[in-house]
Amino acid sequence: AQTVTQSQPEMSVQEAETVTLSCTYDTSESDYYLFWYKQPPSRQMILVIRQEAYKQQNATENRFSVNFQKAAKSFSLKISDSQLGDAAMYFCAYRSRYLGGSEKLVFGKGTKLTVNP
Amino acid sequence: NAGVMQNPRHLVRRRGQEARLRCSPMKGHSHVYWYRQLPEEGLKFMVYLQKENIIDESGMPKERFSAEFPKEGPSILRIQQVVRGDSAAYFCASSPQGGQPQHFGDGTRLSIL
Repeated sequence: AQTVTQSQPEMSVQEAETVTLSCTYDTSESDYYLFWYKQPPSRQMILVIRQEAYKQQNATENRFSVNFQKAAKSFSLKISDSQLGDAAMYFCAYRSRYLGGSEKLVFGKGTKLTVNP
Repeated sequence: NAGVMQNPRHLVRRRGQEARLRCSPMKGHSHVYWYRQLPEEGLKFMVYLQKENIIDESGMPKERFSAEFPKEGPSILRIQQVVRGDSAAYFCASSPQGGQPQHFGDGTRLSIL
């Protein structure tokens, strides 16, 4: 079974600075997706960024980028130029990509990000 | 274009009552997923449904929980004889087909008195 581990329960960053959130995962599959979701106090689950395991290039979405290290099974999220609106819980998630494989998302326990003005 | 709609947003039940949570997927989406989030935890998969079919229920508790996604109408997650431990946020997600990104609703917060 796949597992996702986020070792930082809480992180804080100064506004306009850069912060990196860690995520490691365990799987025996070679093809899969990895995601970062943001959950603000409103509790919505917002997709931040998605990475396909067969792609070597790291995904980027504006101020958000990932460092995907497939051999190390590591998938960290970097937030540049942090803004107050980035304050939220961040969840790392895994999903199999095999046809007929499980469609379920496997989530880590989350990292609470505080942005200080 | 409406997103995934869940209702109610908050639901309060007494121990032993039944809870029904509803989820209307995004337009054009025929795949629905239910997740549960306990306090201070990440989301845990419960069940994956397509219209009129349960595809994967490996995360569903063996008793008291059931889910359906009828040909017409929303998907329903039903919890019978609720207990305090059922207090959680229940999220629904949908996708147009398997392998596509899942879009989440705002969740239903279930509180058991």
